[in-house]
Amino acid sequence: DTGVSQDPRHKITKRGQNVTFRCDPISEHNRLYWYRQTLGQGPEFLTYFQNEAQLEKSRLLSDRFSAERPKGSFSTLEIQRTEQGDSAMYLCASSEGTEQFFGPGTRLTVL
Amino acid sequence: AQTVTQSQPEMSVQEAETVTLSCTYDTSESDYYLFWYKQPPSRQMILVIRQEAYKQQNATENRFSVNFQKAAKSFSLKISDSQLGDAAMYFCASQGGSEKLVFGKGTKLTVNP
Repeated sequence: DTGVSQDPRHKITKRGQNVTFRCDPISEHNRLYWYRQTLGQGPEFLTYFQNEAQLEKSRLLSDRFSAERPKGSFSTLEIQRTEQGDSAMYLCASSEGTEQFFGPGTRLTVL
Repeated sequence: AQTVTQSQPEMSVQEAETVTLSCTYDTSESDYYLFWYKQPPSRQMILVIRQEAYKQQNATENRFSVNFQKAAKSFSLKISDSQLGDAAMYFCASQGGSEKLVFGKGTKLTVNP
């Protein structure tokens, strides 16, 4: 499969716990993006990497959120001390040109 | 800052008919791209069609076409010969100087047999 993959697909956690999501982009894509999508809304940009460099971060990305792309390949998004408001679908996308290719997302539920 | 507005939360169309989804946007960028993405239920988002703002000609992809009115900042999507598989959430998005996509809230399209 040459598409964008995300793991896990679903995550249920208790408030206050830490969670980490993984995204594997399409192999030749140098750009990787994270978005958050809540029910009834369009995706909202969180952060963007070009290779291993994190070039842009949204104000939505509070200090509880951190993202890495250590070798310019896969990326992880960690949320510390989760809150109920963090419940959402977390989407990853990758690109080489203009078109961004999206993964299936990780649905996070914080109880 | 860029904003994208989709004023139709839901639309429905009969199979084989034509439907138009509306989108307006605002940007201060002189060079930008506009997109329509489709998100089927429980499936990942896929690109339907793309328009470069500097191109006057409206983009077309098979049964999908856009009406790009740059001065009015309008970017509507027309789906011809609608099929059951077209049922999905449709998101309009813009991309300006930043790499990020800015999405509207989406339009849920129902296709009736």
